[in-house]
Amino acid sequence: QVQLKESGPGLVQPSQTLSLTCTVSGFSLTSNSIHWVRQPPGKGLEWVGAIWSGGSTDYNLALKSRLSISRDTSKSQVFLKMNSLQTEDTAIYFCSREGNSGSGDYWGQGVMVTVSS
Amino acid sequence: DIQMTQSPSSLSASLGDRVTITCRASQDIGNFLTWFQQKPGKSPRRMIYGATNLEDGVPSRFSGSRSGSDYSLTISSLESEDVADYHCLQSIQCPHSFGAGTKLELK
Repeated sequence: QVQLKESGPGLVQPSQTLSLTCTVSGFSLTSNSIHWVRQPPGKGLEWVGAIWSGGSTDYNLALKSRLSISRDTSKSQVFLKMNSLQTEDTAIYFCSREGNSGSGDYWGQGVMVTVSS
Repeated sequence: DIQMTQSPSSLSASLGDRVTITCRASQDIGNFLTWFQQKPGKSPRRMIYGATNLEDGVPSRFSGSRSGSDYSLTISSLESEDVADYHCLQSIQCPHSFGAGTKLELK
């Protein structure tokens, strides 16, 4: 069945780089796009970016200068890298799948990232 | 960028009430509008896609509609399990954008 799972460090120091992995199963990254969404504590959802099934990417314009999304299709993994982290980047980071019927048909459990010294 | 204005930000209703949440798009998004439900500590769950299509397994008391640039999620008869946060998402154009969310509580 379709599954997505995020992994990465729970704590990152300010100004450092965040690296997250979304490992998927039950479908191919060359058939479905993957989106990253984040949610600061007690706040709403924010679209971070996407890697499309063809391999191209799109980013939240406010994050674009610090953000990179890539993938390894052989390992069914999507990677998010964000540099120059600030406390405002503290959030739960989710990856989600875009299915044939549109965005967000399956989601990972999310990973909490805290930016703090 | 397309802005999604979601209202109300919070809503208190009684069991059996009809509840409506609305998102207004700042530009034409066609039917590229998705509604998600999110319970505390959980990932979002897709409820409605393509503005009006009910996700498999979602109770039929949920429905989505469109009137011009206004998109609505309606719960015809509120049940206790519907208490959650609700979010809309436009996906016609990058960057995709969410509404600010609606917190639905029981009165």
